[in-house]
Amino acid sequence: GQNIDQPTEMTATEGAIVQINCTYQTSGFNGLFWYQQHAGEAPTFLSYNVLDGLEEKGRFSSFLSRSKGYSYLLLKELQMKDSASYLCAVSNSNYQLIWGAGTKLIIKP
Amino acid sequence: GAVVSQHPSRVICKSGTSVKIECRSLDFQATTMFWYRQFPKKSLMLMATSNEGSKATYEQGVEKDKFLINHASLTLSTLTVTSAHPEDSSFYICSATPPGQDYNEQFFGPGTRLTVL
Repeated sequence: GQNIDQPTEMTATEGAIVQINCTYQTSGFNGLFWYQQHAGEAPTFLSYNVLDGLEEKGRFSSFLSRSKGYSYLLLKELQMKDSASYLCAVSNSNYQLIWGAGTKLIIKP
Repeated sequence: GAVVSQHPSRVICKSGTSVKIECRSLDFQATTMFWYRQFPKKSLMLMATSNEGSKATYEQGVEKDKFLINHASLTLSTLTVTSAHPEDSSFYICSATPPGQDYNEQFFGPGTRLTVL
């Protein structure tokens, strides 16, 4: 079967750094996405990785290791508005998105 | 960026009634749109892939006669929940991918919260 695993919930302090991990097992691989979702709202795109390595975009970075089936999203200089769920999704060989359950990130002052 | 709208944003209905949700791509043409549902604290679950001018492709376990999908134009797909029951209460989200993208980033509508009494 196809599976995406990520922690259910994480807590971090405002101004700090947090890393959200995602491991995956899918039928084929055509890229990995990270989305942010605030409660009651639709997901918004954060990043896309298809090659191994780190992609940096402002305070957010995403890393991919295809051989390990592993990715992480790194959030720096955390702000209260970063409190949200972070969804990992993998595009499989059919270009279908397989979604993780999401990681709820709680930011404390 | 690409914009996808959904209407209505929130609907409350009585058990047994049917509810129609519209998904529109505002600034691009979408031959394919996706319909998801999401229960509280759960992941997005793909219900079906809506194809313009042809029948939708439903995921395993999703009743096509209960969740009717019509993709009549390149900018509009509709999901009709027929004879809704309380267990159909959920957050329904549509998405679409603009043509010509290097990768298949999906742009999501704002979602529709359905409550069936």
